[in-house]
Order: sequence, then structure tokens, then C-alpha cells
Amino acid sequence: KAGVTQTPRYLIKTRGQQVTLSCSPISGHRSVSWYQQTPGQGLQFLFEYFSETQRNKGNFPGRFSGRQFSNSRSEMNVSTLELGDSALYLCASSSGVGADTQYFGPGTRLTVL
Amino acid sequence: TQLLEQSPQFLSIQEGENLTVYCNSSSVFSSLQWYRQEPGEGPVLLVTVVTGGEVKKLKRLTFQFGDARKDSSLHITAAQPGDTGLYLCAGKGAGGTSYGKLTFGQGTILTVHP
Repeated sequence: KAGVTQTPRYLIKTRGQQVTLSCSPISGHRSVSWYQQTPGQGLQFLFEYFSETQRNKGNFPGRFSGRQFSNSRSEMNVSTLELGDSALYLCASSSGVGADTQYFGPGTRLTVL
Repeated sequence: TQLLEQSPQFLSIQEGENLTVYCNSSSVFSSLQWYRQEPGEGPVLLVTVVTGGEVKKLKRLTFQFGDARKDSSLHITAAQPGDTGLYLCAGKGAGGTSYGKLTFGQGTILTVHP
């Protein structure tokens, strides 16, 4: 069974731009969660989607948004990028909302210049 | 907002030594998970503990969930260079606005020297 895939793996943007990251969950998994990982703050929960609906949300500004498609694939968008948005963005899939076992993808390394 | 304090942040030990990593919080969690992350990869789940006082063993790794479900520890016996990596604990919120959300500790970077 293929694991969680994230594209692109690396991205360089400048301040003020916007970016879209993509995540394909494990086949059959309907829940996708997004996390931001930085050296200073560690891993922080962004949001969780299940059946195309946002089910849970972390404490991030509205510049961070996401969506999920009918095939469970998910995208995350960050608008008006700031230097502090430089981070590793991780996607995790699971069988259901709040399921204990989450399978993480390799992440997208975003650098904002 | 739930906080999970993980210590120590860094551990550098020799092969064969034992070590313990701690995660502490003032909040109650419905479950607590331990992950290991290697450079360039996402975290990989090692274990989930659910019941207060629960102890789980995974070869040389022993995981314990506190009686009150507010803290946990990871003990590694006879560490090997292959154990090197970032270890993360994560608690699942038990209620209120934190329900179902995973809160991660800051992580422990473990280096085991041959």
C-alpha cells in the first residue's frame, strides 16, 4: 500500500506570495491532518479534514486554509507569506476523525525569502 | 491551549547506555503517542498508550502513561546507534476545544555514539 505523498517536497517563495501544498492520503483513508513543524515551535496542528469538511482547527491565522476533495486528496494554502511561515509542512492521514494512528508524509519544506 | 513539556531537548550518549525521555502536562489526554522522526521524513508512530498506568514494551523501548493520564515516559535500554533520531510525544485532547487534537512536545534529539 502506498504511503502518504506530499508535493512538492521543496518550495522557495518570497514574502507576500501565496503557496499551495498538496497531500495524497493512503488509499482508503478519509481523514487528512496538516501540521507545521519549526525548530522554535515544534509540531503544531493546523487543521483536519474528513469527507471534504474541516472537522478540527488549530490556532493559526486565516491566511492558512485548506480543502479536501472527493477523492480525499487535500490541499493547503498559505496567502500573503511571511518570513515566519518558513517551515516543514506535514500531512498525516488516518482512517477516521481523531483516529489514534496517523501516518505522516515526508513533508514539504517551505522557505520564504 | 494544552501544553506538553518534553525533556530533555538533547541527549548524547554512548552505545549501550540507558536513557529516559519525559513528557509532562497539566492537562489530561485521552491517549498519548510516541513518534520517531528521521531527517527528511515525517514522524513514524512507535506506540499509543490509552489507559492510565499503562506500560507498553517494544523490544528495548518501554513506554509508560501516567496514572492521571497527564504524563508519559519513554525508556530505552542499551541504546544503539540506530536509535538516533528525533523522538516526539503527542497527546490527544480529551475534551473542550482541544478534543481530538494532537498536541506535540518539543521533541528530544537523541544521538547514540558507537
